[in-house]
Formats: sequence, structure tokens, C-alpha cells
Amino acid sequence: AQTVTQSQPEMSVQEAETVTLSCTYDTSESDYYLFWYKQPPSRQMILVIRQEAYKQQNATENRFSVNFQKAAKSFSLKISDSQLGDAAMYFCAYRSAWTNSNSGYALNFGKGTSLLVTP
Amino acid sequence: KAGVTQTPRYLIKTRGQQVTLSCSPISGHRSVSWYQQTPGQGLQFLFEYFSETQRNKGNFPGRFSGRQFSNSRSEMNVSTLELGDSALYLCASSLEGTSGAKETQYFGPGTRLLVL
Repeated sequence: AQTVTQSQPEMSVQEAETVTLSCTYDTSESDYYLFWYKQPPSRQMILVIRQEAYKQQNATENRFSVNFQKAAKSFSLKISDSQLGDAAMYFCAYRSAWTNSNSGYALNFGKGTSLLVTP
Repeated sequence: KAGVTQTPRYLIKTRGQQVTLSCSPISGHRSVSWYQQTPGQGLQFLFEYFSETQRNKGNFPGRFSGRQFSNSRSEMNVSTLELGDSALYLCASSLEGTSGAKETQYFGPGTRLLVL
């Protein structure tokens, strides 16, 4: 079974600064997807960014980018120019590429990192 | 397009009762997944439905069940409620077209269940 580990329960960053959230995962599969989801205090989970394991290029979405290291099974999220609205729980998630895998298409989440943004 | 909706938003039940939660996916989405979120265990996968068929199931007891209707709406049922079932239950839908696992899962606001 795949496991996703987020070693930082809480992080803090000042507005306009950059912060990196860590995520490692364990899998024997070669084809999969990795995601970062954001869950603000309102509780609606929102996709931040997605990485396809077969792509070497790191995904970017505006101020959000990832550092994907497949061999090291590491998938960190960098938030640049942090804004107050970035304050939320951030979840790293793994998803197999195949429905016939043990987990099917289920998202396998880490425990989350709570990001605090200070003015 | 309207997002994923879940009803009810809040629910209080007592031990031993049963509960049914409902999820309406985004229009056109055929896959619905359910997750349980608790402070201790985090987010755990319950089950996934695609075209009215359960495609995958997480490691939960048989008290947890679900179904999907022809319009892709889904319900989950928990029978003989226990205190430990208190959680936020999240539903997510995805299109599940040709892109398969690559597709984004869109989450609803959740149903907060409190078991007394």
C-alpha cells in the first residue's frame, strides 16, 4: 500500500515570502499522479497543483510550484509571494494511474501541513 | 456549473442509530468518491462509485455502505453508529473520461457528523 508522509504539521510564513512544504511517499508503482490540495478553514478542499510521475518537468501554477524527485520519492510544494489567503491546511496526495491497482483511483492523503501566513 | 453539493451539512446522531448522507456531483461527472476526515486518522478513503458500480473500497467495516444512482448522485450509509464515526465526510466527483486517474477530483463542503 502507498503511504504519504508530511513531516511538517505546522509551518509559518510572512506575507510576500516563500515557503516550501515537504511530502514524501512510498510506492512500488511506476505510473501515478501526485497532488497538493488546499483546505481553508471553510473546509472546501481545492486542488492546488498536479504532477504526473512520467513527466520530469516540475508542475507550476502561478505562485505554486513543485519539486518532484521521483527517485527520492519526494514531492514538495513551493509557494512564492505568500498571501493571507494562502493560510490553510495543505494535503499531499497520491493516486495510482490504474484502476486495477490495490487502491484503484482513490486519493491517498498525507496528514497535512497547517500553513499560517503572518502580515 | 454548480459544484459538488452535500446534504445535510451538519448532523447529530446517537450511538446505535443509522445515518444516510447524500452527495450530488458536478453535472456530467460520473465518478463519486467518499472520504472520512478525523483529527486523529486524517483523510481516509471510504469507497468510489463509477456508473452505479462500486469500483473500489477502503478499509472500513461493513457498517459503511454506499450506492450511486443513474444520475450519478451518491449516498453513503452508516449503520449502528459508534462514537468513533464522528467525522467530516467528504464527497468528491470527477469526470472520469479518457484521462482517467489524471483528472481532478472536486470536493464538496462535507457533512459534519457528530455521534453522541
